[in-house]
Amino acid sequence: GAVVSQHPSRVICKSGTSVKIECRSLDFQATTMFWYRQFPKQSLMLMATSNEGSKATYEQGVEKDKFLINHASLTLSTLTVTSAHPEDSSFYICSASGGQSLQAFFGQGTRLTVV
Amino acid sequence: AQSVTQLGSHVSVSEGALVLLRCNYSSSVPPYLFWYVQYPNQGLQLLLKYTTGATLVKGINGFEAEFKKSETSFHLTKPSAHMSDAAEYFCAVRGLSNTGKLIFGQGTTLQVKP
Repeated sequence: GAVVSQHPSRVICKSGTSVKIECRSLDFQATTMFWYRQFPKQSLMLMATSNEGSKATYEQGVEKDKFLINHASLTLSTLTVTSAHPEDSSFYICSASGGQSLQAFFGQGTRLTVV
Repeated sequence: AQSVTQLGSHVSVSEGALVLLRCNYSSSVPPYLFWYVQYPNQGLQLLLKYTTGATLVKGINGFEAEFKKSETSFHLTKPSAHMSDAAEYFCAVRGLSNTGKLIFGQGTTLQVKP
C-alpha cells in the first residue's frame, strides 16, 4: 500500500512556542490531506481538509489561526500549532488520498506534549 | 448525513476465542466502509474495506467483515484471537465528497486474555 510519513513522531515544546508537523506522501500524489486530532481513549476528530494549492477547510470549532495548515505540493502538507498551550497536547494524525483511490492512507502520528 | 456507531467501547476475549466487533452505519448513499486498527502511539492501519461487489470482505491478519445492507452493519470478525490482536479498532465510512474524508466510529478496545 501507499506510504505516508509523518514527522516528528514525538515532540515536546514549551508553552507559547510553535510546532510544525510534516506529512509526506512518499509514493503517490496526495491531492487531499486530512489532519486529525485524537485524545486518549477517544476516536479521531477531523480538524481540517487540505487540497494542494488551496486553503484548508477547517471543521467547526477548530481555530484556523492556531492550527495553520499548508499544502504547497502534492507530496507535503504541514500543520503548525501556533502559540501552543498545554491543552493542545494531543496525538495528531495525518492522512492522504489521491487520484481515484477510495482509500486514505495514514501517517504514524505525532505525540505533542506542551509543557 | 453519515454516521458510524461501534457498539461496545471495550471487548475482552480469551486467546483463541472468536472476535466480534460491531459496527453500524448510517448513509444516504451506498457506503464505502473501512476497518482500521491502531496500536499505541501509532497511526491507523487498514484492515479491510468494502466498496462494491462481494459483501464478505477478507482483510489482513485473519480478519473479515460482512456488509449487510438490510442491517446497515459491517461487523468485524476473526475466528481465533491472538495476543497480538489487542489494539484499538475503528470502523469508518467514507464521506459523501470525493476527497476521501472518513467518518469514524468511537472505537473499540480489544483486550485478549491469555
